[in-house]
Amino acid sequence: GAVVSQHPSRVICKSGTSVKIECRSLDFQATTMFWYRQFPKKSLMLMATSNEGSKATYEQGVEKDKFLINHASLTLSTLTVTSAHPEDSSFYICSARDTKGIRNQPQHFGDGTRLSIL
Amino acid sequence: DAKTTQPPSMDCAEGRAANLPCNHSTISGNEYVYWYRQIHSQGPQYIIHGLKNNETNEMASLIITEDRKSSTLILPHATLRDTAVYYCIVTDSGGYQKVTFGTGTKLQVIP
Repeated sequence: GAVVSQHPSRVICKSGTSVKIECRSLDFQATTMFWYRQFPKKSLMLMATSNEGSKATYEQGVEKDKFLINHASLTLSTLTVTSAHPEDSSFYICSARDTKGIRNQPQHFGDGTRLSIL
Repeated sequence: DAKTTQPPSMDCAEGRAANLPCNHSTISGNEYVYWYRQIHSQGPQYIIHGLKNNETNEMASLIITEDRKSSTLILPHATLRDTAVYYCIVTDSGGYQKVTFGTGTKLQVIP
């Protein structure tokens, strides 16, 4: 079945570091991918929609200069947390859907990236 | 997207059927019902989806009421590995298909 790979699975780094997270669709193409953030014991919160070949669309309250999204190909989207601080520590998850599939195909999610900023 | 309402938690004995309800009274005609689950510290896993007919796959069954205002996810023989948070989501089937998560139901399967 459809697989979405997310890398790295865990990152621990110092405050002020920029961190890049990759999201790949392994066996399908996706013109749109989604990025979520999840705090402990909370539900997933949609951060932004990544659009292949164009700018990402950010949800209200999400800083686009803080969370840079690049969707350079039909199988790869990246989220860069710039100058990360402890409050950016969270579980980040991406999702994608087969663009060429039937319209009601579900989203498939990566296994998430746990980011810890010291 | 239409809003959904789910009970915050449920228990189920191992080997018994787990029936997870979801209300989506404002669902519109072109919106599908999707179910996902999230096991601790993993990404959500797709389970099943439907429009108006009942659906069954190797993981679960989905029962949608005739007026489409509610649905039930059925895990026929719950195992300990089915312990997870289950999310019922209603969304348009179009290409954008933005998925907004509610709070879900925490299902605890008890030995």
